[in-house]
Amino acid sequence: KAGVTQTPRYLIKTRGQQVTLSCSPISGHRSVSWYQQTPGQGLQFLFEYFSETQRNKGNFPGRFSGRQFSNSRSEMNVSTLELGDSALYLCASSLEPTGSGNTIYFGEGSWLTVV
Amino acid sequence: QKEVEQDPGPLSVPEGAIVSLNCTYSNSAFQYFMWYRQYSRKGPELLMYTYSSGNKEDGRFTAQVDKSSKYISLFIRDSQPSDSATYLCAMEENTGFQKLVFGTGTRLLVSP
Repeated sequence: KAGVTQTPRYLIKTRGQQVTLSCSPISGHRSVSWYQQTPGQGLQFLFEYFSETQRNKGNFPGRFSGRQFSNSRSEMNVSTLELGDSALYLCASSLEPTGSGNTIYFGEGSWLTVV
Repeated sequence: QKEVEQDPGPLSVPEGAIVSLNCTYSNSAFQYFMWYRQYSRKGPELLMYTYSSGNKEDGRFTAQVDKSSKYISLFIRDSQPSDSATYLCAMEENTGFQKLVFGTGTRLLVSP
């Protein structure tokens, strides 16, 4: 069974540009969430999607957005990139989004460097 | 103060040692507790998942949750060099919404 797949794995962008990251959840999983991991702040929740709807959002500026498609695949977008956006962006999927302890599996992440 | 506190390490042990990793938390609403292992430049891998207080064992790994003390632990028996990684604790409320809150991670080094 394939795991959570994220693309691209590595990318370098310039300040002010925008970036789109893609995530394919485990087959059958309908909930997708995104996390940002940095050395200083650790892993922080960005947002969660289920049935193409954003159900929960972390404490990030509006430059960070996302969406989910009918096949559960998800994308996240960061506009007007800043140096501080350099991070590992992790996608996670679970069967259901109930927040009641459904097992959450992570992808390998997308490494974003902003220069 | 962070909701979840975790000693960043590094924690260095010889092969075969018993390793104890810990997290404390302040939010009494946390109901679900997880331990993830993360190798360098990889995504977190789920190791253990526990609901509420109690112990759970899986092979060389044992997870303990003490909600009265707001303290969770992961024990690794007979540690191996392949266990060298960063271990992250994560917690979640029973809100109906998914949102894991992570510790900063403890880096473990197991030397042969």
